[in-house]
Amino acid sequence: QVQLVQSETEMKKPGASVRVSCKASGYTFTDYYMHWVRQAPGQGLEWMGRINPNSGGTDSAQKFQGRVTMTRDTSISTAYMELSRLRSDDTAVYYCARDHGSHDAFDMWGQGTMVTVSS
Amino acid sequence: DIQMTQSPSSLSASVGDRVTITCRASQSITSYLNWYQQKPGKAPKLLIYAAFNLQSGVPSRFSGSGSGTDFTLTIRSLQPEDFASYYCQQSHSTPYTFGQGTKLEIK
Repeated sequence: QVQLVQSETEMKKPGASVRVSCKASGYTFTDYYMHWVRQAPGQGLEWMGRINPNSGGTDSAQKFQGRVTMTRDTSISTAYMELSRLRSDDTAVYYCARDHGSHDAFDMWGQGTMVTVSS
Repeated sequence: DIQMTQSPSSLSASVGDRVTITCRASQSITSYLNWYQQKPGKAPKLLIYAAFNLQSGVPSRFSGSGSGTDFTLTIRSLQPEDFASYYCQQSHSTPYTFGQGTKLEIK
């Protein structure tokens, strides 16, 4: 079955970087865009950006430009999101989500990766 | 950026009730509107895409309507497992944006 499995919880200090991975299975990885969405504790959902796993092309929210890097390794069907210069307000659960292919809905989500930024 | 405004932000209802959640976009998004359900500690789940299309496996008591700037999610005959948070999301143009969420609680 279609599954997205993310990397484990991370604890980072302010100013550091974090890389979250998202391993896809059960479908052809390069056929669907992958998005990254985050959710701060008790807050709503925030779209960060997306990657075309086929071409490697990316598109990110202006808020994160210069700090977020999205990449992929097609040989292992895995997408990555790296966020640099972490601040305390980057503390959140980070999700990868597969693009439905129709109207850019997100039809499959990873389980989430909690990233805590604290000194 | 397109702003998405959901109402109400919270809602109390009973099993068997019919509830409606609304979502308004700050500009026309035609039918590029999706609805998600999220339970505590879990990832969101796609319910409705492109305003009114039911995602595979989602019960038919969920329905969506609307176009342009105004949209609704209706849950007919609430079941115990429906008590959760609901989010709308526009996928008309990046950055894709979500509504602030509606928490549906048991009365």
